[in-house]
Amino acid sequence: AQTVTQSQPEMSVQEAETVTLSCTYDTSENNYYLFWYKQPPSRQMILVIRQEAYKQQNATENRFSVNFQKAAKSFSLKISDSQLGDTAMYFCAFYGGSQGNLIFGKGTKLSVKP
Amino acid sequence: EAGVTQFPSHSVIEKGQTVTLRCDPISGHDNLYWYRRVMGKEIKFLLHFVKESKQDESGMPNNRFLAERTGGTYSTLKVQPAELEDSGVYFCASSHPPAGIYGYTFGSGTRLTVV
Repeated sequence: AQTVTQSQPEMSVQEAETVTLSCTYDTSENNYYLFWYKQPPSRQMILVIRQEAYKQQNATENRFSVNFQKAAKSFSLKISDSQLGDTAMYFCAFYGGSQGNLIFGKGTKLSVKP
Repeated sequence: EAGVTQFPSHSVIEKGQTVTLRCDPISGHDNLYWYRRVMGKEIKFLLHFVKESKQDESGMPNNRFLAERTGGTYSTLKVQPAELEDSGVYFCASSHPPAGIYGYTFGSGTRLTVV
């Protein structure tokens, strides 16, 4: 069975600085999809970024980028120029293989400090 | 396009009572999912509908939980009778085929507190 591990329960960063959130996963599949979701205090889960495993190029969405290391089964999220609005829970998720639904990690609570 | 709508947003009930949560997915999304997050733990899958059919209900904790999706539109999740350990945030999500390769669109969740 696939698993997703986020080893940082909480992190903080100063406004305008860069922070990296870690995520590792375990799978025997070769083709799958990885996601980072953001859940701000308002509770709406928002898709931040998506990576297809068969693509070597790291996905980027404005200030958000990933470092996808397929061999190491690592999928970290980098937030550049952190803003107060980035304060949220961040969940890493995996989709693929026989498991027909998204599998989530436990989340990382990110606080951006002024 | 309207998003995924869940209500109520909060519910506080006593142990032994019944609660029904509702989810309205994005129109045209055949796939509907229910997830639950207990405080401090990961978001856990409960079940997956494709239209009105239960595709996978392997995550349902026990037979106190009953999910339905009438006519392949909105879905309800009923907990009867509720226990203290059922407290948590219940998320609904929907996606257009093919399933989840583009991720899901989530609702804002229902925070259930059983006292």
